[in-house]
Amino acid sequence: NAGVTQTPKFQVLKTGQSMTLQCAQDMNHEYMSWYRQDPGMGLRLIHYSVGAGITDQGEVPNGYNVSRSTTEDFPLRLLSAAPSQTSVYFCASSRLRGGRSGEQFFGPGTRLTVL
Amino acid sequence: AQKITQTQPGMFVQEKEAVTLDCTYDTSDQSYGLFWYKQPSSGEMIFLIYQGSYDEQNATEGRYSLNFQKARKSTNLVISASQLGDSAMYFCANPGSARQLTFGSGTQLTVLP
Repeated sequence: NAGVTQTPKFQVLKTGQSMTLQCAQDMNHEYMSWYRQDPGMGLRLIHYSVGAGITDQGEVPNGYNVSRSTTEDFPLRLLSAAPSQTSVYFCASSRLRGGRSGEQFFGPGTRLTVL
Repeated sequence: AQKITQTQPGMFVQEKEAVTLDCTYDTSDQSYGLFWYKQPSSGEMIFLIYQGSYDEQNATEGRYSLNFQKARKSTNLVISASQLGDSAMYFCANPGSARQLTFGSGTQLTVLP
């Protein structure tokens, strides 16, 4: 199993550009989510999904869009990039179970710089 | 809203010694849990250990153990026999009702030779 994969690993955008960060998992997990990590801080939730066709907002959703058309894929779209969106983005997936079984598996991250 | 607090921005420990990293949480949920993750300088998030609020015993995973104090709402991570490879950022995180994780701000651990 590849686990959780993210592409690209690095990206530089100009202010106002749009792009899509890709995330895929091959563990048949119902739950998927996107986090951002700013320097010296913990991860903050952007959007999450509990299954195909179902998405919801997290703590910092503004400027981002998501969709979940399949169980495997959960892309994150930046609509009009701003310097404040410079960050490292992590995708994660898990079973929809409580306790230890609900461990979230993280992708390797995408380092995004907006100029 | 849940809040996770890690009060130690940075910690130093001598190689082979034990170290305790603090984590407290503010939640009104009766049933909750805490995950601990390690983030080395390479950036990936690595699961270490989990404690549920109804677990009767403190969780242990190899050199990692948790000191769970329910009344104080704290779950501190103890790393025994520290190794140079333990130098990393450590995060505790609490899952919400829809599995979304709320993270603390992290503790940067440096193991000294």
